[in-house]
Amino acid sequence: DAGVTQSPTHLIKTRGQQVTLRCSPKSGHDTVSWYQQALGQGPQFIFQYYEEEERQRGNFPDRFSGHQFPNYSSELNVNALLLGDSALYLCASSRWRGYGYTFGSGTRLTVV
Amino acid sequence: GEDVEQSLFLSVREGDSSVINCTYTDSSSTYLYWYKQEPGAGLQLLTYIFSNMDMKQDQRLTVLLNKKDKHLSLRIADTQTGDSAIYFCAESEHNQGGKLIFGQGTELSVKP
Repeated sequence: DAGVTQSPTHLIKTRGQQVTLRCSPKSGHDTVSWYQQALGQGPQFIFQYYEEEERQRGNFPDRFSGHQFPNYSSELNVNALLLGDSALYLCASSRWRGYGYTFGSGTRLTVV
Repeated sequence: GEDVEQSLFLSVREGDSSVINCTYTDSSSTYLYWYKQEPGAGLQLLTYIFSNMDMKQDQRLTVLLNKKDKHLSLRIADTQTGDSAIYFCAESEHNQGGKLIFGQGTELSVKP
């Protein structure tokens, strides 16, 4: 049973560019949440998707947007990249209103 | 507001017990979690506890919850070098399926 799959594992972008990160949830899970983990910090909640709608949002600017597809997979888009967006981006899946969260291995984004 | 705090470092000898502490502020938190993160990896769920419990034991892991003091601890018995990692405490919002709020992580170093 595959867990949460994220792609790509690493990427390097230039300031001002746009990036799309992808996540496939664990089988049986229908809710996807995204977190940003800066170096040496704990993960910070970006937003959560269920039934293809954003259900909750953390304190992140509108440059961060997302999408969930009918198969429950999700994308995180970041526009106008800043150096400070460099971080590990983690995807977590769960059942809606459940308490078991499964995390992927993350995408390491470096903005230069 | 919501906040989770942890001490940053802990060093123990192989075979000793490790105790990692965490304090949180949201008295309505329903679930509290411990995650482990190895270098370059995502988050691995170690254990969780419901807020109406005082203790939970799972093999070498013991979680203690003092709801009055909003204090959570993770005890690892017979600590091994493979336990060296960063350990994150997290609380979920009062609604099930809500966002996770993480501490900044405790780096556990196990010396042979």
